[in-house]
Amino acid sequence: KAGVTQTPRYLIKTRGQQVTLSCSPISGHRSVSWYQQTPGQGLQFLFEYFSETQRNKGNFPGRFSGRQFSNSRSEMNVSTLELGDSALYLCASRDRSSGKNIQYFGAGTRLSVL
Amino acid sequence: GESVGLHLPTLSVQEGDNSIINCAYSNSASDYFIWYKQESGKGPQFIIDIRSNMDKRQGQRVTVLLNKTVKHLSLQIAATQPGDSAVYFCAENPLYNQGGKLIFGQGTELSVKP
Repeated sequence: KAGVTQTPRYLIKTRGQQVTLSCSPISGHRSVSWYQQTPGQGLQFLFEYFSETQRNKGNFPGRFSGRQFSNSRSEMNVSTLELGDSALYLCASRDRSSGKNIQYFGAGTRLSVL
Repeated sequence: GESVGLHLPTLSVQEGDNSIINCAYSNSASDYFIWYKQESGKGPQFIIDIRSNMDKRQGQRVTVLLNKTVKHLSLQIAATQPGDSAVYFCAENPLYNQGGKLIFGQGTELSVKP
C-alpha cells in the first residue's frame, strides 16, 4: 500500500496570507489527524477527522481549520498567517477498526511564513 | 538535514552497543503508548506499541518497558546500528480507541557512532 501523501512538501507564504495543505491517507484508512511540529513546542495535535466530521480538536486558534472529503482525503487551512505558524505540518492516518491507535505519518509540509 | 528540535536530549552510543531511551508521560489515565522514530526530512515512523495492561513488549531488536507506577516508558534498542540514528518520540493515547489524539514527548536524539 502507498503511504500517507502530503502536498506540497514545501511552502513559503507571507504574513496575512492563507494556506491550504492536502493529505491523502493510506488506502482503507478513514481517520486523518493533523499535527504541528516546531522546535519549541514539539509535536502538537491539531484535529482529527473521521467520516467527514471533526472528532477531536487540539488547543489551536480558529485560524486553523480542516475538512475531510468522502474519499477520506483531508485538507487543513490556516488563515491570516503569522510568523509563528512556520512549522512542519504532519498528517497521519489510522485504521479505526484495527483496535489500535497506531497513526501512520506522511513526510509533512514545511511551511515558512515570512 | 532538518532538525526537529534545537534542545533535545541527546544519546550518543557506539555501533553495536545497546541503547536505552527514556520517556516520562503525563496522564495516568493513558492506556496506550507508542514509540516513533523520526529521521531527518521524514515524518515519524511507528516502531512499537504497548497497552497499559502490559509492562513489557518485544519487537525486532526493540523492547518497550512500561512502569505505570512512576509513569515511565523506555525503549531499548539492541545492537544499535548507524541506521538507528534519529529522533525518538514516545506518544500516549489518553482515550484508547476513542480518539485519534496522541500526546508526544519532547523526543530524544540518538546518535550512533560507527
